[in-house]
Amino acid sequence: QVQLQESGPGLVKPSQTLSLTCTVSGGSISSGRYYWSWIRQPAGKGLEWIGRIYTDGTTNYNPSLKSRLTISLDTSKNQISLRLSSVTAADTAVYYCAREVLAMAAATDWGQGTLVTVSS
Amino acid sequence: QSALTQPASVSGSPGQSITISCTGTSSDVGSYTLVSWYQQNPGKVPKLMIYEGSKRPSGVSNRFSGSKSGNTASLTISGLQAEDEADYYCCSYAGASTPWVFGGGTKLTVL
Repeated sequence: QVQLQESGPGLVKPSQTLSLTCTVSGGSISSGRYYWSWIRQPAGKGLEWIGRIYTDGTTNYNPSLKSRLTISLDTSKNQISLRLSSVTAADTAVYYCAREVLAMAAATDWGQGTLVTVSS
Repeated sequence: QSALTQPASVSGSPGQSITISCTGTSSDVGSYTLVSWYQQNPGKVPKLMIYEGSKRPSGVSNRFSGSKSGNTASLTISGLQAEDEADYYCCSYAGASTPWVFGGGTKLTVL
């Protein structure tokens, strides 16, 4: 069974870059059957889709974040990375990585999430 | 890309049925059957309950059903149980360049 685990700094200063990694075990990120997505959730608020990447490196981003966002793959480490630049307090949230099954067009597997706080 | 519109809260008594609506536009819900629904308990990870508008993943109770009419998708839970109390989010495909948009979430209270 696939497992996803997010990791990265829990505290980022305003204007700096937020960097997170999602390590996948129990399955290969090179499989053509999946997209790998990032989703975030501010405390007490709803889910926001951030973006996704396919095994060939093709990405789709939320337009509201696109200018600050980079999602990439490291197939040698079976990891997906997220970089969000010029962060503000509004980027404080729990960040989830998730596996989206192409055939279902839905995220069937999620990491536990990691809280990132933007504060000086 | 605007969030889909869901009621902030719904409630029902055990055994009853409830429906949560999810209203989008002709650019998302209205154009595609690719609506999914997620259940999230407090402090927990979202769980997929419905995909492609009306399909249930393996292991999800058949008390959960999904449908769509025009720009509005709906999640119906029949035979309400205490364990159904949670937040529910809809999510719709919105096109190739910006594939996904979530609803604001609905808190379901089982009275």
